[in-house]
Amino acid sequence: QQQVKQSPQSLIVQKGGISIINCAYENTAFDYFPWYQQFPGKGPALLIAIRPDVSEKKEGRFTISFNKSAKQFSLHIMDSQPGDSATYFCAASMDTDKLIFGTGTRLQVFP
Amino acid sequence: DTAVSQTPKYLVTQMGNDKSIKCEQNLGHDTMYWYKQDSKKFLKIMFSYNNKELIINETVPNRFSPKSPDKAHLNLHINSLELGDSAVYFCASSRWTGENEQFFGPGTRLTVL
Repeated sequence: QQQVKQSPQSLIVQKGGISIINCAYENTAFDYFPWYQQFPGKGPALLIAIRPDVSEKKEGRFTISFNKSAKQFSLHIMDSQPGDSATYFCAASMDTDKLIFGTGTRLQVFP
Repeated sequence: DTAVSQTPKYLVTQMGNDKSIKCEQNLGHDTMYWYKQDSKKFLKIMFSYNNKELIINETVPNRFSPKSPDKAHLNLHINSLELGDSAVYFCASSRWTGENEQFFGPGTRLTVL
């Protein structure tokens, strides 16, 4: 119930392509769904987040799509760049509770 | 002007030793956390403190003891280190419990030999 399942484990995309990472959850009480980006040797940093009252949120080249009925959400990176190469984590939480992280997706963008 | 800092960055030690990792945040946040990231990059919360009070204590062996001398500092002391403790430990902070954006430190890579 507390798990967040993330796929794929790794993703290789050409520069300019679209990167898509998917997450699924079971607990319908989750009400906050962030995506964190982690570069090698660094701590994770918040990239974009969504709450379940909207189905999509866009910030620059990054978009979260949220499907409440399917209990799924995804990160889309448009016009992927080599500088986007990093590990991406989805997460979920309930109000004041802890963040439950997905297992991570290692994205490599080749020029 | 680092927001969340940790020391040391790397820690190599023998099994059975006791070690501490220090964390400081200068963001004025009320809540601080410790996470463990294993070799497969899985991130799991260990503890959270709000204004020096323990809020979350996951099923972590009691060899791990967090200490918060004030709300800007959260240290992690580990007794009797085991091989399985090898991981990267991240400190994080947020404005308050429930303010979900968490700011992470750079991590401490602990290697137990």
